[in-house]
Amino acid sequence: DSGVTQTPKHLITATGQRVTLRCSPRSGDLSVYWYQQSLDQGLQFLIQYYNGEERAKGNILERFSAQQFPDLHSELNLSSLELGDSALYFCASSPRGGAFYEQYFGPGTRLTVT
Amino acid sequence: AQTVTQSQPEMSVQEAETVTLSCTYDTSESDYYLFWYKQPPSRQMILVIRQEAYKQQNATENRFSVNFQKAAKSFSLKISDSQLGDAAMYFCAYRSAWRGGADGLTFGKGTHLIIQP
Repeated sequence: DSGVTQTPKHLITATGQRVTLRCSPRSGDLSVYWYQQSLDQGLQFLIQYYNGEERAKGNILERFSAQQFPDLHSELNLSSLELGDSALYFCASSPRGGAFYEQYFGPGTRLTVT
Repeated sequence: AQTVTQSQPEMSVQEAETVTLSCTYDTSESDYYLFWYKQPPSRQMILVIRQEAYKQQNATENRFSVNFQKAAKSFSLKISDSQLGDAAMYFCAYRSAWRGGADGLTFGKGTHLIIQP
């Protein structure tokens, strides 16, 4: 158990809908990362937050957005869902944002768009 | 942009034998970190080993060791005395040390490791 929690574990929704994935980082970790794992794209970095502020963007679609709240939990919002958004979405956290710090991954949220 | 290539989609090894997984990367940066992550059937991402580019000494963690060749941009993972629990997808990953931590990991496509009993 990494100490990172993600809810829900599974999510099934229809095309065009909007969903919110939630992540609670390890206690004390200030930095949160979101990753998407799909058969087509593999594992790719979406976005990073550090202590409530957006720190870096990766291959995140405009239909997707995220935020980190004062209690440091984070949410990833996916809207106008398409079949190709079906994937495993991971949240990871680290004590600080620096590359030196290990990222601890949560168990993931499996999103299925039908 | 950095890229990470794992040229072996699948590898098979007999239990107790040694196996080496390959990874190459492309970067113009001189300071970075390299990682091997394991993803078992549970889908949990588990850090196996980490290498700092400025360290010439190859990292080791128990049965896991790396062969880091900076000039060749190669970062292979050697698993000694393979165990059934080592069966998983293995991902090589890169992270820049230049951006003040403002980025994420860049992953390869992964290698599926099968352990034959």
